[in-house]
Amino acid sequence: GQNIDQPTEMTATEGAIVQINCTYQTSGFNGLFWYQQHAGEAPTFLSYNVLDGLEEKGRFSSFLSRSKGYSYLLLKELQMKDSASYLCAVRILSGGYNKLIFGAGTRLAVHP
Amino acid sequence: DAGVTQSPTHLIKTRGQQVTLRCSPKSGHDTVSWYQQALGQGPQFIFQYYEEEERQRGNFPDRFSGHQFPNYSSELNVNALLLGDSALYLCASSLDRVGETQYFGPGTRLLVL
Repeated sequence: GQNIDQPTEMTATEGAIVQINCTYQTSGFNGLFWYQQHAGEAPTFLSYNVLDGLEEKGRFSSFLSRSKGYSYLLLKELQMKDSASYLCAVRILSGGYNKLIFGAGTRLAVHP
Repeated sequence: DAGVTQSPTHLIKTRGQQVTLRCSPKSGHDTVSWYQQALGQGPQFIFQYYEEEERQRGNFPDRFSGHQFPNYSSELNVNALLLGDSALYLCASSLDRVGETQYFGPGTRLLVL
């Protein structure tokens, strides 16, 4: 079966750096996405990795190791508005088509 | 450039009733996927539509059905509602190309009493 694990909750201080880990066991891996979701709102796209290595986008970076089934999202210079759930999603190629399998999400609380 | 839109934003139904949710994809997108997100969980894939046909389906019963129209908009229908169907229903659109990202609408929050 398909399995994606990420911590349930994390806390961090404003201005600090936080790393949110995601491990996955899937077949047909075809890329990994990170989405941010504020309470009661839709997920918004943050980053995408399909090859091993680090992708940087401003204060956000995402890393992928396909051999280890592992990814992380790194958030720098944390701001209060970064308090949200962070969803790790693996794109699976199945039957010739892609679909997204999501983890349960990591709720991040940023404190002053 | 309009993003993904969904209607209604909130809905209250009773057990046994039927519901129809609607989605308009981002301009230029031709593929629509539907997800169910229970409180505190990640979105669960329901099905995906392309060229007016369902081409992939997750582990959801036949009570969940859908449709895609020639303008790429889509509907999700749920029959014989159960209490457990209470959730946020998300629509995501994308282009049917390798590597394309899915963009989500604001969702419809369904409460079944």
